[in-house]
Amino acid sequence: GNSVTQMEGPVTLSEEAFLTINCTYTATGYPSLFWYVQYPGEGLQLLLKATKADDKGSNKGFEATYRKETTSFHLEKGSVQVSDSAVYFCALGGRDDKIIFGKGTRLHILP
Amino acid sequence: NAGVTQTPKFQVLKTGQSMTLQCAQDMNHEYMSWYRQDPGMGLRLIHYSVGAGITDQGEVPNGYNVSRSTTEDFPLRLLSAAPSQTSVYFCASRTTVLAGTTDTQYFGPGTRLTVL
Repeated sequence: GNSVTQMEGPVTLSEEAFLTINCTYTATGYPSLFWYVQYPGEGLQLLLKATKADDKGSNKGFEATYRKETTSFHLEKGSVQVSDSAVYFCALGGRDDKIIFGKGTRLHILP
Repeated sequence: NAGVTQTPKFQVLKTGQSMTLQCAQDMNHEYMSWYRQDPGMGLRLIHYSVGAGITDQGEVPNGYNVSRSTTEDFPLRLLSAAPSQTSVYFCASRTTVLAGTTDTQYFGPGTRLTVL
């Protein structure tokens, strides 16, 4: 079945550091891929998405590229801020009704 | 639009008690779902609905019931609460039923449930 694996956290970085959170997936066909973010005490919000191979999703300085050859969708940001501290979830939507989420990666940014 | 709303925000139950977590959306979305979030487990799908009158089981449905009598509402019922159901529960909705589309899934703010 479909599954998503993302790097375990927590990830702790200093402000202005470069961020990478790894995500790989297993799926039949050509799923859509998503990154969601959860700020403390809130529900999940869509951060970015990509629907086909080589698509790049971007938002708020974050980017992720849909790599079919490596079945990956790694999240990157060139210069993180304290306000980026949150839990990040990689997810995929396959041919059925369901969206499958990874276990989440907690990110701490130190000032 | 209020988006996806959930009530209550917090709830404490004793083992064996029953309760209903409420979820409503005002975006006329066909698809609604319930997830539970546990430390180290991510989000796990409990039940989902592709339209009024249609529900189906997700990954962890045992101990929970749902119904979808209207497009707007999708309540989650705990029939006899157990400590293993202590979790944060999120309701979500999106426009269409096809997960492979680009439709954004909107989440409610969550209900934090503790079962003693």
